[in-house]
Amino acid sequence: AQTVTQSQPEMSVQEAETVTLSCTYDTSENNYYLFWYKQPPSRQMILVIRQEAYKQQNATENRFSVNFQKAAKSFSLKISDSQLGDTAMYFCAFMNPRSNDYKLSFGAGTTVTVRA
Amino acid sequence: EPEVTQTPSHQVTQMGQEVILRCVPISNHLYFYWYRQILGQKVEFLVSFYNNEISEKSEIFDDQFSVERPDGSNFTLKIRSTKLEDSAMYFCASRGQIYGYTFGSGTRLTVV
Repeated sequence: AQTVTQSQPEMSVQEAETVTLSCTYDTSENNYYLFWYKQPPSRQMILVIRQEAYKQQNATENRFSVNFQKAAKSFSLKISDSQLGDTAMYFCAFMNPRSNDYKLSFGAGTTVTVRA
Repeated sequence: EPEVTQTPSHQVTQMGQEVILRCVPISNHLYFYWYRQILGQKVEFLVSFYNNEISEKSEIFDDQFSVERPDGSNFTLKIRSTKLEDSAMYFCASRGQIYGYTFGSGTRLTVV
């Protein structure tokens, strides 16, 4: 089973500032997918960004970008120009497409609080 | 944008009672999942379902749990005899493309 580690239980950032969330994972696979999900207080799971391991270019979605370091098995999320609506729990997740069911393995999550 | 719909949003049940959590996946998706999140903890995989049968289940998914797609649209999770430790948020998800997961908004199950 894949292990996904998020070492920062909580982070706080001033509005308009930048915050970076760390995620590392353990796998022997060469091809896989990585995701960041946002869970606001409503507890819905919202996809923020995804990265295919075979792509060298880091994924970007508006204010959200990743730093994917395949050799280091690291997948950090950078939130730029933080907004109050970014306050949420953020989960890193791993998917092995060679498994039969493409299930997601999640990290323990990082709670991000954006201060006004 | 297509959605995964879960009902109810919150269910309170007595310990030992049976509960059925319901989900309507996205209509052209073929893969369905249940995940569980105990309050404040990580999201955990329970079961995956494809072609009207379970394709994989986790250790959590013991004999007290079952899933069904009774009518081609609904996807249900049944817990036969609930325990206090079953209290959690239960998420249904469906998948079209390899990475194209869509989660429902969850059912909060409280066992008292």
